[in-house]
Amino acid sequence: DAKTTQPPSMDCAEGRAANLPCNHSTISGNEYVYWYRQIHSQGPQYIIHGLKNNETNEMASLIITEDRKSSTLILPHATLRDTAVYYCIVRPRGAAGNKLTFGGGTRVLVKP
Amino acid sequence: GAGVSQSPRYKVAKRGQDVALRCDPISGHVSLFWYQQALGQGPEFLTYFQNEAQLDKSGLPSDRFFAERPEGSVSTLKIQRTQQEDSAVYLCASSLVVGGGQGAGGYTFGSGTRLTVV
Repeated sequence: DAKTTQPPSMDCAEGRAANLPCNHSTISGNEYVYWYRQIHSQGPQYIIHGLKNNETNEMASLIITEDRKSSTLILPHATLRDTAVYYCIVRPRGAAGNKLTFGGGTRVLVKP
Repeated sequence: GAGVSQSPRYKVAKRGQDVALRCDPISGHVSLFWYQQALGQGPEFLTYFQNEAQLDKSGLPSDRFFAERPEGSVSTLKIQRTQQEDSAVYLCASSLVVGGGQGAGGYTFGSGTRLTVV
């Protein structure tokens, strides 16, 4: 599986946008970019995913560069409840993508 | 149920003891996954079931780890002769479709069982 690189931690201010970067320079054409987050003492929770187009849902926006070698997860108005570890995952289509390969993630602390 | 339920929530085992961790997936979910999460690390894949068939057990760290899902619903992860390095959170996830599906309709994780081996 392609590897991802994320900063280990970042702080952001409540009410401001949080921009979480992820590098996946070895991603191949049939691999999606997924984002999950894990709030303390809970299991990972799906946020968003994309292949090559930018995506938006009620939780976040995902911006993927044209060469697909990096992406940014945007939380538009961070709240204290967004404090969590955020994982960027590259996931192949098909059976090879059955299991998720998590890295170390980015520990995000939203401060009042 | 409304979500994936795991029990017990916490387990303390003496080194050498056998333990059994239970996962109740969402009713009707075909796929079931087990992950191990060491402190400060991301989850790591252990094994995958499609109904009662264990299709991938490549992540099980040793032959002391055994998982089953005999009727295609509830699953049990058993660890024999526990060692201190087995201390971790064990996460279960299920999915309605084969292989975990895509997007929001894919994986649903439980809150995990925290195993501490002393």
